[in-house]
Amino acid sequence: GQSLEQPSEVTAVEGAIVQINCTYQTSGFYGLSWYQQHDGGAPTFLSYNGLDGLEETGRFSSFLSRSDSYGYLLLQELQMKDSASYFCAVRPRDDKIIFGKGTRLHILP
Amino acid sequence: DTGVSQDPRHKITKRGQNVTFRCDPISEHNRLYWYRQTLGQGPEFLTYFQNEAQLEKSRLLSDRFSAERPKGSFSTLEIQRTEQGDSAMYLCASSLAGGQRGQETQYFGPGTRLLVL
Repeated sequence: GQSLEQPSEVTAVEGAIVQINCTYQTSGFYGLSWYQQHDGGAPTFLSYNGLDGLEETGRFSSFLSRSDSYGYLLLQELQMKDSASYFCAVRPRDDKIIFGKGTRLHILP
Repeated sequence: DTGVSQDPRHKITKRGQNVTFRCDPISEHNRLYWYRQTLGQGPEFLTYFQNEAQLEKSRLLSDRFSAERPKGSFSTLEIQRTEQGDSAMYLCASSLAGGQRGQETQYFGPGTRLLVL
């Protein structure tokens, strides 16, 4: 079947850099997306990789390597407000979008 | 642009009852998605529409679930004969399809939290 694997939790220090990995087992998909969700809130879009390589959007960057079935989200200059859950998601050819279980990011002052 | 709205925000029902949720997408968006999310999990795809056509439906979705988008604008999700396992957050998202396939940003609503007693 198709699945996405992410670490369940990551802890980092305010001001530091953190990388959240996503490995997947799915064949034929359009791209990898990342979403942020604060407790009690709705997911919000962060980044999309349709092609291999790095995409940068402000403090957030995302990377995709289809040959390695791997992607990551990189958060720089961490702020306390970045404490949230982060989900990777793929859109397979049948458009039945698959989300990972999410990585809860804890930020220490 | 007022964003995606969902109604109600919370619903408590007894097992066996029917419930209906409504989603109003961003007005110019042609795609509308329904997801279910339980605590500690990612959103789980249920179904999606392009305009008024329901294009895909999860194999996990039982016959008790039905969704409509009659005029290609708002959508409803109905659950018949609710079960305790249906308790979850039901999320709606909309997007504008076009351009590079797959690169469509989904905008999520605040969700409807369902509790089945």
